[in-house]
Amino acid sequence: DVKVTQSSRYLVKRTGEKVFLECVQDMDHENMFWYRQDPGLGLRLIYFSYDVKMKEKGDIPEGYSVSREKKERFSLILESASTNQTSMYLCASSLGGQGNTEAFFGQGTRLTVV
Amino acid sequence: AQTVTQSQPEMSVQEAETVTLSCTYDTSESDYYLFWYKQPPSRQMILVIRQEAYKQQNATENRFSVNFQKAAKSFSLKISDSQLGDAAMYFCAYRSGGDDKIIFGKGTRLHILP
Repeated sequence: DVKVTQSSRYLVKRTGEKVFLECVQDMDHENMFWYRQDPGLGLRLIYFSYDVKMKEKGDIPEGYSVSREKKERFSLILESASTNQTSMYLCASSLGGQGNTEAFFGQGTRLTVV
Repeated sequence: AQTVTQSQPEMSVQEAETVTLSCTYDTSESDYYLFWYKQPPSRQMILVIRQEAYKQQNATENRFSVNFQKAAKSFSLKISDSQLGDAAMYFCAYRSGGDDKIIFGKGTRLHILP
């Protein structure tokens, strides 16, 4: 059974903290994604990685960074958490270079910054 | 840049009836792929159906079918014989043939009335 696993389902952090959200996939996928989901705004792409150590900014990268040191793991980093980063964060992965293949999603991390 | 628009934030349908969710997209490309994803209340996003832009035939998966109008850049999802388990957020998504990024619409929340 294919899997994308996010390290936490729920997370509460304080303003100014450095926050790490971890995502691991077991499908040997080249592509990994971090999305932010907010009511009325849908899924917005934060960062995308198409290979180890490779990344591209999405639509809303400000305040975030990412790390991909191993193919199976993609980390989202909030350098200094702020209350406007309270949201649901979704990680996904997909095969590279095959446009008709689907993305597989993790269960999401509900982050609250207080 | 490509955009995906879902103009219906919420819809309701009676159980066993048919419902159509709308999606339009904007692109200058000829090679692309379109998807409908379902996000049930448990939050795990799953693929419902996919369509390759080069295929004229509309995709069908059991009770789910699409109406793909390439010239109009329209990609609607029809759910026949609606079931209580169809209640979810539905997201329309676009993936370019030349880029692995996936762009999502804002979603439509579908309620099934017993």
